[in-house]
Amino acid sequence: DVKVTQSSRYLVKRTGEKVFLECVQDMDHENMFWYRQDPGLGLRLIYFSYDVKMKEKGDIPEGYSVSREKKERFSLILESASTNQTSMYLCASNTGIGEQYFGPGTRLTVT
Amino acid sequence: TQLLEQSPQFLSIQEGENLTVYCNSSSVFSSLQWYRQEPGEGPVLLVTVVTGGEVKKLKRLTFQFGDARKDSSLHITAAQPGDTGLYLCAVEYTGTASKLTFGTGTRLQVTL
Repeated sequence: DVKVTQSSRYLVKRTGEKVFLECVQDMDHENMFWYRQDPGLGLRLIYFSYDVKMKEKGDIPEGYSVSREKKERFSLILESASTNQTSMYLCASNTGIGEQYFGPGTRLTVT
Repeated sequence: TQLLEQSPQFLSIQEGENLTVYCNSSSVFSSLQWYRQEPGEGPVLLVTVVTGGEVKKLKRLTFQFGDARKDSSLHITAAQPGDTGLYLCAVEYTGTASKLTFGTGTRLQVTL
């Protein structure tokens, strides 16, 4: 079974802190994605990566950066957390086109 | 910017009822996926449809892909409490390889 794991299920941070969200997949997938999910807005793509050290901006990259140093690991970084970044963050991976496999999500609260 | 709208936004029904949810795009897409997300979990794929007019069945769930490749529907027969969840459609637009655009979702609650 494909497994995508995220480092934390719940996280509470203060405004201005630097926040790291980690995602690891065990199926040797080339593509990895970071989304945020907010009520009424669905899933919105923040960044994605199609290879090690390669990244592309999604629809809402402002305030975020990413890092992919190894194929199995994709990190989302909030350089200076703000309250409007309070959200559910979902990581996904796939190979080529087709089904994306999601992690369980990290619910981030910024106070 | 492509828009992907789902309706209804919320649906609360009793066990045994039938229901249909819809997914509509402002642009033609090359393939469409339906996911279900349960509370506290990530979305899980239910089906992928790629051919205009295609109909796929998964037990009590029937998925239809519109002829014009701009819409899709999900019909559930005799809903059960286990069907409760957030139903998301996601489309791949031509030229956006590997990237999916997700709809806003339909939240379904099935009560006894």
